[in-house]
Amino acid sequence: KAGVTQTPRYLIKTRGQQVTLSCSPISGHRSVSWYQQTPGQGLQFLFEYFSETQRNKGNFPGRFSGRQFSNSRSEMNVSTLELGDSALYLCASSFLWQNEQFFGPGTRLTVL
Amino acid sequence: DAKTTQPPSMDCAEGRAANLPCNHSTISGNEYVYWYRQIHSQGPQYIIHGLKNNETNEMASLIITEDRKSSTLILPHATLRDTAVYYCIAAIWGAQKLVFGQGTRLTINP
Repeated sequence: KAGVTQTPRYLIKTRGQQVTLSCSPISGHRSVSWYQQTPGQGLQFLFEYFSETQRNKGNFPGRFSGRQFSNSRSEMNVSTLELGDSALYLCASSFLWQNEQFFGPGTRLTVL
Repeated sequence: DAKTTQPPSMDCAEGRAANLPCNHSTISGNEYVYWYRQIHSQGPQYIIHGLKNNETNEMASLIITEDRKSSTLILPHATLRDTAVYYCIAAIWGAQKLVFGQGTRLTINP
């Protein structure tokens, strides 16, 4: 069974631009969560989607948004990029009410 | 979600058992203890979880104290590939929002 895939793996943007990251969950998984990982703040929860609905949201500004499609694939968008948005963005998928979350390899975003 | 406390780093010799402690003194009755690990530059990997009974799987064992205020993850025969940051998380069943702390950086030495 294929794992969680994230594209692109690496991305370089400049301040003020926007970026869209993509996540394809494991087949059959309907819950997709996003996390941001930085050296200073560690792993932080961004948001979670299930059946195209955002069910949980972390403490991030409105510049961070996401969506989920009917095939459970998810995208997250960051607008008006700031230097501090440089991070590894991780996506995780799971069955609903399953304890185990499966993480993808992440997208490393660098903002210059 | 209950806060967890872990030592920032630990060392263990290859082939020996690695015992990683975690304190979760404010854990509530419906919160499970989850362990994940993150090998450098990869996404976190689920290891094991438990509520109040000790648990074992092919990767590790989880020992939870009777009062549930602390737990220990045991890697019975550590290998160099077990070098990673290990995260202990307290969360309700099926929680899709995981609150990661700083974890324990475990280094397995040859």
